Amino acid sequence: GAGVSQTPSNKVTEKGKYVELRCDPISGHTALYWYRQSLGQGPEFLIYFQGTGAADDSGLPNDRFFAVRPEGSVSTLKIQRTERGDSAVYLCASSPLAGETQYFGPGTRLLVL
Amino acid sequence: AQSVTQPDIHITVSEGASLELRCNYSYGATPYLFWYVQSPGQGLQLLLKYFSGDTLVQGIKGFEAEFKRSQSSFNLRKPSVHWSDAAEYFCAGRSRSGTYKYIFGTGTRLKVLA
Repeated sequence: GAGVSQTPSNKVTEKGKYVELRCDPISGHTALYWYRQSLGQGPEFLIYFQGTGAADDSGLPNDRFFAVRPEGSVSTLKIQRTERGDSAVYLCASSPLAGETQYFGPGTRLLVL
Repeated sequence: AQSVTQPDIHITVSEGASLELRCNYSYGATPYLFWYVQSPGQGLQLLLKYFSGDTLVQGIKGFEAEFKRSQSSFNLRKPSVHWSDAAEYFCAGRSRSGTYKYIFGTGTRLKVLA
């Protein structure tokens, strides 16, 4: 079946702009996770959803970052007033239930100029 | 603080040689443990996972990993490496209670010589 998909695959923006990154989880997966992977690093947790609600947002670096999952399926990660340090690959994962094995999408590579 | 450490940033092996990638963890209690592989421009693909039971875990693509509680390690092995195994490998842990977030190591980049 189809895996986790993320759009766009690449995004280039200018410092100070607003961006939205989209994640489509595997059909039927109730839990959805966002991670950020900086160059030369492993992925770092940002936030996860169980259904529509954010169950743990402890990894969001500051209030410029926000994520939603209004219908319990697709999720959007929103970054306001982007900074050059936000440049990274943003990975989305989903699992059938929270706590089960996470399956990752290909990521969105964000470059802030 | 919880952490996962991969001591080797780069490893180079010849095709057909054996491989061992190291992973150490630091958690209050034994976490769930995972190995993922990431090829250039690709997402993370799960190789194998350890939850409980048999400490030698078999995965896909001929990989296996051994959990050693006494050494806080979960090393990944393959008896004979193929050129297509060249990629970056990540070890990850997840606490058995509380949050479901994964903590990843910094990765080991594997190069395979023909």
